[in-house]
Parts: sequence; structure tokens; C-alpha cells
Amino acid sequence: AQSVTQPDIHITVSEGASLELRCNYSYGATPYLFWYVQSPGQGLQLLLKYFSGDTLVQGIKGFEAEFKRSQSSFNLRKPSVHWSDAAEYFCAVGNQAGTALIFGKGTTLSVSS
Amino acid sequence: NAGVTQTPKFQVLKTGQSMTLQCAQDMNHNSMYWYRQDPGMGLRLIYYSASEGTTDKGEVPNGYNVSRLNKREFSLRLESAAPSQTSVYFCASSEAWSGGPFWGNEQFFGPGTRLTVL
Repeated sequence: AQSVTQPDIHITVSEGASLELRCNYSYGATPYLFWYVQSPGQGLQLLLKYFSGDTLVQGIKGFEAEFKRSQSSFNLRKPSVHWSDAAEYFCAVGNQAGTALIFGKGTTLSVSS
Repeated sequence: NAGVTQTPKFQVLKTGQSMTLQCAQDMNHNSMYWYRQDPGMGLRLIYYSASEGTTDKGEVPNGYNVSRLNKREFSLRLESAAPSQTSVYFCASSEAWSGGPFWGNEQFFGPGTRLTVL
């Protein structure tokens, strides 16, 4: 069965420091991968997605993610974190039936000054 | 464009009561979804509707029913609420992805309904 693992429940990063959020997936074929962000009290917003092609994907708000098939990973990165990036981040994979997204349990990002 | 709207924003129910969560989207999307979000569990799909007139079960459908009233509206009903259904409920919609699975396009989420069942 497909699954998504986000190993880090909570991460704290200093403002201006770089960020990497980890995501590992379990999927038999080429996965369709997504990163969503949820600000407190809000719904989810798509940051970026990977379907095929270039394994380095650029998204909104200065985020990027790299698909590594050999490691079954799709890690999210940002070179310099801003206080407004504090939120919960979800990695997701499209299921094999083509009917829904399977979400990870999320990583909460705190930004310290 | 309001995007995806959900009502109510908050609700407290007693065990055994029923209620309907409403969702509407004004983006002319074909597909709509209901998720629940619990602490440490991420989002889990309850039901989805690939297109008007169709609905299908997701990962956690027990205790829920849905109605795709028209292209805009997709409601979620709890017939007899239980404390285990205390959660935040999100509705989402997406356009069909031409030539591929319909979830290929971005899902747009509503602000959520926070439901407490006592």
C-alpha cells in the first residue's frame, strides 16, 4: 500500500537559516508528489508538485523540492527561512487508483528570531 | 472568487445528534473531496466526488454520508455523531486533469469546520 512518511514531527529553524523538510514515500510506479502548507487556522495551500521530468521542482514562496527515486524521497527546501514560513507542512502522493491524495502526518515548522 | 467555502466554522454536538457540513466552490471544478484532520494523523480522505453525480468512499468513510448536490456543492452528513468524529473537517476541490488522474491538478481547500462531539 502506498504511504508517505514525514520523519520530523516538529522542527525549529532560526530566521534566515536554511530549511529542509524530509518526505519519504512508498509507491510502486512513478509517483505524483506534492507539498502543501497549512498556516494556523487555515486550509491547505499547494507549494509545489512533481509529476515527471526535472527532478528539482520550484514552487511558490521560494520553496523547492528534489525528487530522488533511489531514496524514495521528495524533500522540501528553502535557502533562507522567514518568520512567516512558520506553519505545518504536508507531503502527499497521488494514489495508484488515481482517485485521491495520501498525506503524510505533517511537520510543524517553528521559526525563531 | 470566494474559492471553497464551508459552513459552519465551528460546531459542538452531543453524541447521537446529526448534522450536515456544507461545502461550495465557485471555481467550476469537477472534483470535490472531504477530509478529516486529527492531531498527528495528517489528512485522511472520507469521501470524494470525481464529477457531478458520482461519489466514492475514501480511507475513512464509516459514520458519514455525502451528497453531491450539484457541480458547486458537496455536503457531508453525520447521522449519529460519536466522540471519535471530533475533528477538523476540510472540503477541497480540483479541476479534472486532462489525460490523467483527476487529482493531478491542485486541490483547493476550504478553511475547515472544527467539530466537537461530546
